[in-house]
Amino acid sequence: DAKTTQPNSMESNEEEPVHLPCNHSTISGTDYIHWYRQLPSQGPEYVIHGLTSNVNNRMASLAIAEDRKSSTLILHRATLRDAAVYYCILRGTQGGSEKLVFGKGTKLTVNP
Amino acid sequence: ETGVTQSPTHLIKTRGQQVTLRCSSQSGHNTVSWYQQALGQGPQFIFQYYREEENGRGNFPPRFSGLQFPNYSSELNVNALELDDSALYLCASSLAGSVWTGELFFGEGSRLTVL
Repeated sequence: DAKTTQPNSMESNEEEPVHLPCNHSTISGTDYIHWYRQLPSQGPEYVIHGLTSNVNNRMASLAIAEDRKSSTLILHRATLRDAAVYYCILRGTQGGSEKLVFGKGTKLTVNP
Repeated sequence: ETGVTQSPTHLIKTRGQQVTLRCSSQSGHNTVSWYQQALGQGPQFIFQYYREEENGRGNFPPRFSGLQFPNYSSELNVNALELDDSALYLCASSLAGSVWTGELFFGEGSRLTVL
């Protein structure tokens, strides 16, 4: 099964950009790259997703490498509320069934 | 607030017992998936149900089973509990095809402790 690799932790200062990397070298051609984040004592929350092209939404940007073996979640101006564990996830189908693979996540600390 | 509710929020069982966890999906969502999250780890996909049929499963033994009801609410059943089953169990609801369109909506989870 394809899997994702993320750094265990990263640190940023408030109002600075943050680049969270994810490696997924065994991604299949039909897997979408999704990012979720999880605050303490809460379920994961959707951030962004993409297939091949870079994507932007109100929360973040997703930069996907041309070979799709890695991606980077970009928070343009980190706030204290962005402190969370960020998960890079592959979602796709296999034999008609959906499959999802979570990485171990990156714990983001945002300093005031 | 995702509209996905899980019950119970916490429970304690002993090894060998059976447990049923429940999930109420967000209105209009016809797909539910379940995850196990051990302390300090990322969620692990257990299985997914679409229109009352299992349509995807992770690497979990058959003692992990599920049901989805016509109103799209769902249950996760675990038989013969083991100590390693202690974890946060999350459910997520979505619309079929959301693998392409986007979001899973997660509940806040049920924390199971097996003694």
